[in-house]
Amino acid sequence: DAGVIQSPRHEVTEMGQEVTLRCKPISGHDYLFWYRQTMMRGLELLIYFNNNVPIDDSGMPEDRFSAKMPNASFSTLKIQPSEPRDSAVYFCASKRRGQGGEKLFFGSGTQLSVL
Amino acid sequence: AQTVTQSQPEMSVQEAETVTLSCTYDTSENNYYLFWYKQPPSRQMILVIRQEAYKQQNATENRFSVNFQKAAKSFSLKISDSQLGDTAMYFCAFVPYGGSQGNLIFGKGTKLSVKP
Repeated sequence: DAGVIQSPRHEVTEMGQEVTLRCKPISGHDYLFWYRQTMMRGLELLIYFNNNVPIDDSGMPEDRFSAKMPNASFSTLKIQPSEPRDSAVYFCASKRRGQGGEKLFFGSGTQLSVL
Repeated sequence: AQTVTQSQPEMSVQEAETVTLSCTYDTSENNYYLFWYKQPPSRQMILVIRQEAYKQQNATENRFSVNFQKAAKSFSLKISDSQLGDTAMYFCAFVPYGGSQGNLIFGKGTKLSVKP
C-alpha cells in the first residue's frame, strides 16, 4: 500500500490567494483527518470525516477554511483567502475503525508558507 | 473534556543511555488506546508503540517500552540504548475504544535530542 498521499509537499503563496491541499487516504480506511501543526499550538485537529461525511469541524479556524471529501479516495482542504498566520504544516491522516487498534496513518504533510 | 499532557517540552540524553518521556491523560472512558508517535526532522509521523487500556501488560517494541498506570492515568515511554536516530518530537495520543468518536487526542509533544 502506498500509504496516505498528500500534495503538494510544499506550497508558497501570497496573502489573499486561494490554496488547495489534497489528500488520498489508504484504500479501505473509513476515517480521514486533517491536522495543522505549528510551533505555538502543536498538532491541532481541523476536521474529520467518517465514510466521507464531516463529523466534527469545530477545529476549523474560520470561514476561510473549508474541507470536502467527494469520495472515499480523495479529500481537499481549501483556504480562501490565505493569510500569513495560516503558515503551518498540514497533515492528512486516515484509519480504519476497529482495525489495527485505531492506528492512525499520516501523510508526509504539506508545508504551507503564506507571504 | 479529554486531554493529554506532556509536561516535558524538551529533553536530552546521551547516546546509549536510557530516557523516559512522561504523559498523563484525563478521561472518563474505561476502554481506550494510547499511542506514542515519533516525528523526526523529516516531519513524517511514525507510530512507535500502542497500548490497549484493558491490557495490564506493558507494551514493548524493541528498545521502546511503556509504563502504563491506568489508575494514575499515566503513560510514559522509555527508550533504552538511545540512538542518534531517536532524535525527534514525541507525541502521546489517546482515543476511546468503540463509540462514535474516532479522533485521536494529542499532547503538545516532547522534543528529544540524543547527543553523541
